Amino acid sequence: KNQVEQSPQSLIILEGKNCTLQCNYTVSPFSNLRWYKQDTGRGPVSLTIMTFSENTKSNGRYTATLDADTKQSSLHITASQLSDSASYICVVSARATDSWGKFQFGAGTQVVVTP
Amino acid sequence: NAGVTQTPKFRILKIGQSMTLQCTQDMNHNYMYWYRQDPGMGLKLIYYSVGAGITDKGEVPNGYNVSRSTTEDFPLRLELAAPSQTSVYFCASGGLGVNEQFFGPGTRLTVL
Repeated sequence: KNQVEQSPQSLIILEGKNCTLQCNYTVSPFSNLRWYKQDTGRGPVSLTIMTFSENTKSNGRYTATLDADTKQSSLHITASQLSDSASYICVVSARATDSWGKFQFGAGTQVVVTP
Repeated sequence: NAGVTQTPKFRILKIGQSMTLQCTQDMNHNYMYWYRQDPGMGLKLIYYSVGAGITDKGEVPNGYNVSRSTTEDFPLRLELAAPSQTSVYFCASGGLGVNEQFFGPGTRLTVL
């Protein structure tokens, strides 16, 4: 079972509207959570990173929240633009002695912004 | 600073052929990773390296091999390509003790 679940799988929004993406995780012990944006045909690029003690982090029109108690995170996109069309990936890092076990990837939410 | 570069961008292989996917980073990162991304799935780790001369298996290593002779380069070798290896492959790097990962643009591989 995947330790990082994202919802919805995809969504379509009108340009200028807001939307919220969800990420639930079971990764433990928790180290940090980051949101990546992946444009079609490109590698993922980091948007935000949050540690256990952080509840919210913004990067321009992107705002991420974290509730470490319920193991949930959300990414809010404000006033969407056509360039926001991409896949958004939630990645949770565990505090682990082996490097590869540290990063658990969600399957991503595909966002399409229409004019 | 080019970051993480990968070649080729696209490749079509026949079943049983071999090839090497190249990955180079110019950020002097110790950690390097190879992932594959299948449609609708999260990235899966194939192999990783914590420094030159040190490599280890990730979650899905079967059918692949790697080497790390320099800090900059981390090639991924596919021997006897199979249709199940059709995927998009991403190389990533990160600094020692840092949880950040920087990704290359990916290689789209099709095995027919």
